[in-house]
Order: sequence, then structure tokens, then C-alpha cells
Amino acid sequence: NAGVTQTPKFQVLKTGQSMTLQCAQDMNHEYMSWYRQDPGMGLRLIHYSVGAGITDQGEVPNGYNVSRSTTEDFPLRLLSAAPSQTSVYFCASSFTGPREKLFFGSGTQLSVL
Amino acid sequence: DAKTTQPPSMDCAEGRAANLPCNHSTISGNEYVYWYRQIHSQGPQYIIHGLKNNETNEMASLIITEDRKSSTLILPHATLRDTAVYYCIVSYSGAGSYQLTFGKGTKLSVIP
Repeated sequence: NAGVTQTPKFQVLKTGQSMTLQCAQDMNHEYMSWYRQDPGMGLRLIHYSVGAGITDQGEVPNGYNVSRSTTEDFPLRLLSAAPSQTSVYFCASSFTGPREKLFFGSGTQLSVL
Repeated sequence: DAKTTQPPSMDCAEGRAANLPCNHSTISGNEYVYWYRQIHSQGPQYIIHGLKNNETNEMASLIITEDRKSSTLILPHATLRDTAVYYCIVSYSGAGSYQLTFGKGTKLSVIP
């Protein structure tokens, strides 16, 4: 049972490049979410989804897009990377929402030069 | 913004109980208290949550005061592997609640 899998683990981008961070879960969870964590800070919610075809914005959505075409996958797209998006990104999932136990992936460390 | 106040850091001797406090004086009646921890840049790990009664599981105990304005997470026998940042989070737990707000947490250092 893999749980929540994030790829890649590390990524370096140049300003203006685009990329997709992948997140997949094999627990049949309806709820999935993306957080970012900056040095010395707590986690901030970027986007979340409560099921296939449904997404919504969190606290810091600007510069990011998401889609949820399947229950298993919830990719996060950076449209035009900026240095301010240098951060560690975590994907999390649960059956119905964060009022239940959230399962987190191991993170993607992104640097934008 | 976070609805909780936690000390930025604490030390605990290995084998002793670690008691991590959290103040949440503005908590409302339908909000739960959640605890997560993050070990050295890994993804956060769920520990426990509760509404008003004390809760215990295989990882920890959660003690919530009668007025619900504060709580304490207790790790009964701390080990070096418990060194982590511990987050106390208050969140509405009903339908339509989809966001947990993580503050800066308490960095717990377990000392040999």
C-alpha cells in the first residue's frame, strides 16, 4: 500500500518555466489537497478537491492550477514559475476532508531560479 | 490565520513524558482540536484529535480543559524519534469544512 506518492522529489526551474507536480493516492480517498511550506513557516493550503471533477481554491492559489480527472490523481501545475514559488510542496488526502485523518506525501522541494 | 498559540520550542528528556501545551481561547463549540507532527521536512503525520473529551490512542493522549480554551498533547515516553515540530490546529469539523490551518508549531527536542 503506497499511500500518497509525490513526484518528483526535487526540481529546479528557471523563472517563467512551467511544470506539473504529480500526486497520486491508492486509498480511494475523495479529498485531496496541496500545501506549500516555506522555511520556518507552517503549511498553507493552495488548492483542494472533494472528488473527481471538483476543485476549489485554498489560501494561496495564485500562480497554480489543478484538475481532478480521476479519484487517484491530483496534479498541481505551475503556469509560469517565479522565485516566490520556491518552496516545499505537500500533497495530502483523506476519505472526506481534513476533519478526518489527513495522509501526507513526502513532499517535492522546488527551487525557482 | 492560526487560532492557536504554542511555545516555539521545548526540550524533553528521553523516556520522560512530553507535555506540549496549546492555547485556543477563541475556539467555538463545533471546532475540534487536531494535532499533527512533522519530522525533519517529511510530510506531516496525524497524531490525534478531539472535541471536548480526553482522547488516547497508540501515539499520544490529548487532554482538553473543561472550558476548551487550552489543551495538552502528552507523549507518555518520549524517544529520540519523537523529535519533531508539533502542530496544534483548531478547525470546524462539520460538512463543508475543507481546510486545516497550520501555524508554526512547537519544535520538540528529545534529549538523550
